Amino acid sequence: DAGVIQSPRHEVTEMGQEVTLRCKPISGHNSLFWYRQTMMRGLELLIYFNNNVPIDDSGMPEDRFSAKMPNASFSTLKIQPSEPRDSAVYFCASRGLRGRHEAFFGQGTRLTVV
Amino acid sequence: DAKTTQPNSMESNEEEPVHLPCNHSTISGTDYIHWYRQLPSQGPEYVIHGLTSNVNNRMASLAIAEDRKSSTLILHRATLRDAAVYYCILRGIQGAQKLVFGQGTRLTINP
Repeated sequence: DAGVIQSPRHEVTEMGQEVTLRCKPISGHNSLFWYRQTMMRGLELLIYFNNNVPIDDSGMPEDRFSAKMPNASFSTLKIQPSEPRDSAVYFCASRGLRGRHEAFFGQGTRLTVV
Repeated sequence: DAKTTQPNSMESNEEEPVHLPCNHSTISGTDYIHWYRQLPSQGPEYVIHGLTSNVNNRMASLAIAEDRKSSTLILHRATLRDAAVYYCILRGIQGAQKLVFGQGTRLTINP
């Protein structure tokens, strides 16, 4: 398996633009997580899904952030409109069925909003 | 979520054992203890987990105190590639099963 695949790896955008980050979880995994990492705040859990259903989105910072998981093999994290303070590395992770403990992380998307 | 406390940083020498401590005094009976690490410019990766008994795998060992209020990740023979931030995380098996990361311990390995 190729692991968790995120795209793009790097994104530079202007303030006010819409940004869409993509994630393909490992086949067969039923939990998916979106994290954001900055120097100041460390790794923050934004939202997680079980069986394509959002379970906890309490970490989503504002209404400008939204996440979807239309099927078991794809998820998006959208920021509209983007702001410079959204600059961070965004990670997606997936985990197997209940009882499986190990979560696998993608390589991340480095977002820079100028 | 039950909290964990780790030293901000530790330093060790190559080919020596490393003991990374973690305090989790508010752990509940159903919380698993997980360790992840993050190498530079990479996403976190799973290292090991345990519930009550000590655990060994190819990467490390996990020693869990009898009262479960603390644990220690042991790297038996550190290499330069083990330099990373190590995170100790509690994850319950009931209800929310999310992974919440703290600040972790930045491990430096000297050649």
